[in-house]
Amino acid sequence: QLQLQESGPGLVEPSETLSLTCTVSGASLRTSSYYWGWIRQPPGKGLEWIGSINYSGKTQYNPSMKSRVTVSVDTSKNQFSLSLSSVTAADTAVYYCARDGGWWGPGTLVTVSS
Amino acid sequence: QTVVTQEPSLTVSPGGTVTLTCASSTGAVTSGYYPNWFQQKPGQAPRALIYSASNKHSWTPARFSGSLLGGKAALTLSGVQPEDEADYYCLLYYDGARVFGGGTRLTVL
Repeated sequence: QLQLQESGPGLVEPSETLSLTCTVSGASLRTSSYYWGWIRQPPGKGLEWIGSINYSGKTQYNPSMKSRVTVSVDTSKNQFSLSLSSVTAADTAVYYCARDGGWWGPGTLVTVSS
Repeated sequence: QTVVTQEPSLTVSPGGTVTLTCASSTGAVTSGYYPNWFQQKPGQAPRALIYSASNKHSWTPARFSGSLLGGKAALTLSGVQPEDEADYYCLLYYDGARVFGGGTRLTVL
């Protein structure tokens, strides 16, 4: 059964870089034809797609965040990662990793504060 | 900036039928936008219900159905149950990018 799990710091200081990792079990990123991505949800607000990557490293990014976002994949660890630079309080959100087609991790709350 | 629009809120009586819609600022929504629908209850991660406009996941209750209707993607709930009260989000694919709708809060009353 496919499972995704986000991990990373729950607190990031303003202007720093937010880094999260998604560990995938039940499927191999090396052989999957799907895109794997990141979505976030600020408290009390809607969902926002951040970016996605496939097994070969081809990436797709939200144009509004593209200058600050990097999504990468490590097929040897069956993980993919999110890096969001120059964070502000507006980046405080629950961050989800997900596979195209409907499998999501439980999410992790990241707070940007000093 | 592409905008995907959903009804902010809808109310339905138990046992009733309700249709939620998803419109694109670029024009008519077609199967090429691969519409997805998600349900989210408070404190939980979103759960996928529908993919590629009308395809159900193995866990999607039979009372949920997806379609393309009048240039929009649509999610219809037939025989609504109290546990269907939740936020519902659509997702459209645009040539490599993905855009979520703002969500519809469905109240069962």
